[in-house]
Amino acid sequence: QKEVEQNSGPLSVPEGAIASLNCTYSDRGSQSFFWYRQYSGKSPELIMSIYSNGDKEDGRFTAQLNKASQYVSLLIRDSQPSDSATYLCAVNIYQAGTALIFGKGTTLSVSS
Amino acid sequence: GAVVSQHPSRVICKSGTSVKIECRSLDFQATTMFWYRQFPKKSLMLMATSNEGSKATYEQGVEKDKFLINHASLTLSTLTVTSAHPEDSSFYICSAERADEQYFGPGTRLTVT
Repeated sequence: QKEVEQNSGPLSVPEGAIASLNCTYSDRGSQSFFWYRQYSGKSPELIMSIYSNGDKEDGRFTAQLNKASQYVSLLIRDSQPSDSATYLCAVNIYQAGTALIFGKGTTLSVSS
Repeated sequence: GAVVSQHPSRVICKSGTSVKIECRSLDFQATTMFWYRQFPKKSLMLMATSNEGSKATYEQGVEKDKFLINHASLTLSTLTVTSAHPEDSSFYICSAERADEQYFGPGTRLTVT
């Protein structure tokens, strides 16, 4: 059974702090990794994709991938109250194709 | 770019009836679309992969005769929930693939009474 694990939280950080979200996955064959943000009652919104080991930065967001440890993380710098949401880690299910398996999500709460 | 729409956004139907949900990619063509289901406080679960011009591929445990998928064009996939029951009440979300990434529609909240 292929799995994606996330700490459900809630993760609480003050405004302006760095929020660190973590995810592990079970399938060593996975090649594509994604972070989505989901507000309550809404559908997921793609934040970042990462395919290679190392860091990838986009604005306030940095994704980190370590395939040897089967670990992917998302750092949010200068956290804002509007970042409060559930963050879903997703990994491609099959070695070919883009079907995704999602973690249960980590709820982030940023207090002003 | 990469806008995906769904219709309807909410639907309430009686037990035993069928409901059709449409998923459209508005500004790009999508050979592949996906259908997910999300129960309250749970994560998204992939139901099926929809490929334009061919039969959908269903995930284990998803009844293909109950959840009918049609992907008749490069911008439209439909999911029909047949003979709906209260346990089918859920948030149904489609996504369309572009450049190896998935872009999600806004979702359809189905309530079966």
